[in-house]
Amino acid sequence: SQKIEQNSEALNIQEGKTATLTCNYTNYSPAYLQWYRQDPGRGPVFLLLIRENEKEKRKERLKVTFDTTLKQSLFHITASQPADSATYLCALGESGGYQKVTFGIGTKLQVIP
Amino acid sequence: GAGVSQSPSNKVTEKGKDVELRCDPISGHTALYWYRQSLGQGLEFLIYFQGNSAPDKSGLPSDRFSAERTGGSVSTLTIQRTQQEDSAVYLCASSLPKGGIIGELFFGEGSRLTVL
Repeated sequence: SQKIEQNSEALNIQEGKTATLTCNYTNYSPAYLQWYRQDPGRGPVFLLLIRENEKEKRKERLKVTFDTTLKQSLFHITASQPADSATYLCALGESGGYQKVTFGIGTKLQVIP
Repeated sequence: GAGVSQSPSNKVTEKGKDVELRCDPISGHTALYWYRQSLGQGLEFLIYFQGNSAPDKSGLPSDRFSAERTGGSVSTLTIQRTQQEDSAVYLCASSLPKGGIIGELFFGEGSRLTVL
C-alpha cells in the first residue's frame, strides 16, 4: 500500500542549529514533492516544491533534497529560530492528468531559545 | 478574492443533522481540493476538482459525504446524517496548474465541525 512517513514525534532543537526533517514514501512515483508549514489552528502554507528530476532546492534558510532512489526527501532549516516552531508537512504530487496531492502526517518542530 | 475563503469557520451540530461547508477558491484557480484533519492527525484527502469535474472521489469516507463545484468556482462539501466521528477540521485548497503539475496549494483556514 502507499505510505508517506514523517517522524511523528516532535523534534526539539536549539536556536541557531540546523533542523533536518525526513519524509519517506513507498509505492509512489511522485512527479514532485512539496513541503508546507502549519501553525496551530491555521491552514498549511506552502514553502517549497521540488520536481522528480531535481536533487536540491533552496529558498533563504530552507533547503530540500529529493532522492527518488531512496524514496526520501530531507528538509533543512539552517540557523533555526523560535519563530520556525511549527508542524512541517510533506506532500507528494503525481504526474500526468492525475493531480491528487497526498500529505504525510507532519513533524512538529520546536526551536528552543 | 485575496485568498481561499471557507465558511462557516466553526460549526456545532447534533448527531444526525446535515451540514454544508463552503469553499471560495482564489479567482481563476481551476483545481480545488478538500481535506479533513482530525485532532493531532495529518491531512486526509477527500476529493479534488478540476474545473467542475471530480476525477477522484476515492477519499470520501462514506456515501454520507458529497461535494460539488459550480461555475468552476465555489465548492460545497455536504455531510448528511452527521456522526461524532465526522468531527474534524475540513480544509479546502485551490491551485492553478502550470506545466502539467498542480504546484502550490493555497489553503483556507478551515471549517471546524463538532458533532455532539
